[in-house]
Amino acid sequence: EAGVVQSPRYKIIEKKQPVAFWCNPISGHNTLYWYRQNLGQGPELLIRYENEEAVDDSQLPKDRFSAERLKGVDSTLKIQPAELGDSAVYLCASSRGAGIMNTEAFFGQGTRLTVV
Amino acid sequence: QQQVKQSPQSLIVQKGGISIINCAYENTAFDYFPWYQQFPGKGPALLIAIRPDVSEKKEGRFTISFNKSAKQFSLHIMDSQPGDSATYFCAASMDSGAGSYQLTFGKGTKLSVIP
Repeated sequence: EAGVVQSPRYKIIEKKQPVAFWCNPISGHNTLYWYRQNLGQGPELLIRYENEEAVDDSQLPKDRFSAERLKGVDSTLKIQPAELGDSAVYLCASSRGAGIMNTEAFFGQGTRLTVV
Repeated sequence: QQQVKQSPQSLIVQKGGISIINCAYENTAFDYFPWYQQFPGKGPALLIAIRPDVSEKKEGRFTISFNKSAKQFSLHIMDSQPGDSATYFCAASMDSGAGSYQLTFGKGTKLSVIP
């Protein structure tokens, strides 16, 4: 079974430029998460999708961040414009869906963003 | 507000020793407590998890001890090996509606096992 696939692995951009990250979850997983992991910190949730619906985006800085999950499969996370403080690893994860037995989240390798 | 507090921040253990990492949580609604292991350049991967209806769960060399009244849980790694060197995250989760769960992570513990 293929794992969660993210691209690109690394991205270096100048501040004020836009950037986008792509995630392909595990096949059949209905729930998709985007996390941000700052250096030396644990992952922090940005947004959670159940199928194509964003059910929790309370931690997403909506002035500059946007996300979409068309057709309830792949997802993209966009930052426009990027700021120096956005430098972090952006992790995508997926899980089967609702219910305590389906809670295990499988993570991708992440995209390391550096804003200069 | 940090809902899951993890300690220590870093840990050095000799090969064959016991590694112990502690976590404390605040929200009594949490009902699923996983530990994730992360190697450099990789995403976190589930190591072991426990629910609050049991006080201990063991899988191989890894054991979770859970104290519901104290709102604390810990990870014990027996016979620690250099290959266990990684960053470990505790997490807590609860039903956020319609059976959906999402994780709140601790800040992580960097474990180094020296030969």
